[in-house]
Amino acid sequence: QTVVTQEPSFSVSPGGTVTLTCGLSSGSVSTSYYPSWYQQTPGQAPRTLIYSTDKRSSGVPDRFSGSILGNKAALTITGAQADDESDYYCVLYMGSGISVFGGGTKLTVL
Amino acid sequence: QVQLVQSGAEVKKPGASVKVSCKASGYIFTTYGISWVRQAPGQGLEWMGWISAYNGNTNYAQKVQGRVTMTTDTSTSTAYMELRSLRSDDTAVYYCARDPSGTTSSPAWGQGTLVTVSS
Repeated sequence: QTVVTQEPSFSVSPGGTVTLTCGLSSGSVSTSYYPSWYQQTPGQAPRTLIYSTDKRSSGVPDRFSGSILGNKAALTITGAQADDESDYYCVLYMGSGISVFGGGTKLTVL
Repeated sequence: QVQLVQSGAEVKKPGASVKVSCKASGYIFTTYGISWVRQAPGQGLEWMGWISAYNGNTNYAQKVQGRVTMTTDTSTSTAYMELRSLRSDDTAVYYCARDPSGTTSSPAWGQGTLVTVSS
């Protein structure tokens, strides 16, 4: 059973920089897993931020960037703003149409 | 632009079935697969399964295997997800998503369909 790991919670100061990570319970995350990142606020559908490791979805500010850091995928938010306070989910592609979501990170901006 | 529009909210009794639809527009339907993802109240996103709109091949999560059937109607560019033998813990918002892992293009999601299972 593949488990995708994320920090349950994180906090960042307004204007600060935060890096959220997405790992595997066993093994390393690479671009072959096409890591993608979603932002979700309560009652809303997930919003695509980053797909295929580092491609920014249309309309997403360049404050959001994706990368591979060590053995994990990473989402970096620079110049954090109050409305960045959301849940963030990563998803990894396992092949044959199968995707696995991480448990999500609740980001607090304070 | 790419759009996925889902059917409306449903209330079902335990043991019943539900069928949620997802109508795609703005792209060639058979070019991409459709995944179904659900989110129980206060919980995270859970991948349920995938269907190829090209040839109907499917892959289901172990948790719902045996109770779920995903189909497509290429004549109307619509994907369907049927879940049977509903239980209270199936109460969730169900989303359809095109390529949620962004393997070939930017993902697209439906607006979600709330399915409530209650006696």
